Amino acid sequence: EVQLVESGGGLVKPGGSLRLSCAASGFTFSSYSMNWVRQAPGKGLEWVSSISSSSSYIYYADSVKGRFTISRDNAKNSLYLQMNSLRAEDTAVYYCARDAGGWYGVEYFQHWGQGTLVTVSS
Amino acid sequence: QSVLTQPPSVSAAPGQKVTISCSGSSSNIGNNYVSWYQQLPGTAPKLLIYENNKRPSGIPDRFSGSKSGTSATLGITGLQTGDEADYYCGTWDSSLSAGEWVFGGGTKLTVL
Repeated sequence: EVQLVESGGGLVKPGGSLRLSCAASGFTFSSYSMNWVRQAPGKGLEWVSSISSSSSYIYYADSVKGRFTISRDNAKNSLYLQMNSLRAEDTAVYYCARDAGGWYGVEYFQHWGQGTLVTVSS
Repeated sequence: QSVLTQPPSVSAAPGQKVTISCSGSSSNIGNNYVSWYQQLPGTAPKLLIYENNKRPSGIPDRFSGSKSGTSATLGITGLQTGDEADYYCGTWDSSLSAGEWVFGGGTKLTVL
């Protein structure tokens, strides 16, 4: 069974940093692209970033480009999101999602974690 | 404002059928597969339809998807109260040099 468990969320001040992690199990992690998708309170889904299976292709939404960095460690079956220069509008539940593919672009989000809440507030 | 346009809400009675539209452009729906996600209240999203019209294992055939040109449609027949949820369409958009994934704004389904 595919399992994705996010961690690292919490309360942070504007301008601060936070690192999210996603521990994956139940599948061959190194074969699949991975993604971060967020959802602000009471709002819709917003794609944040994607990384291909071997980290060759990395994509960011314009809203986070230059502030967030996605990475993965295939030896540890883990996905990360380093978030810097955080703003109030980054407040959201952040979901880790496994792609159906492993290479270029995003095919679709086949499996989702339960999410971790990030709150940016002074 | 989302790149993909969905109606904010739809409603129908139990047992009835409902459709949810998702409108885009040639840079997204027109040239890429569409997937649909169901988000029950207080839970994480779940894949409902992929590659326009395919259902993952475990998804009942009451749920169907279709695509024509730059629009896609999710259909749900035999509505049940347990279908009350938010539904999102999504696809890859290649209008930017690097590409990006885009979601619709979401549609809230109410089963009256």
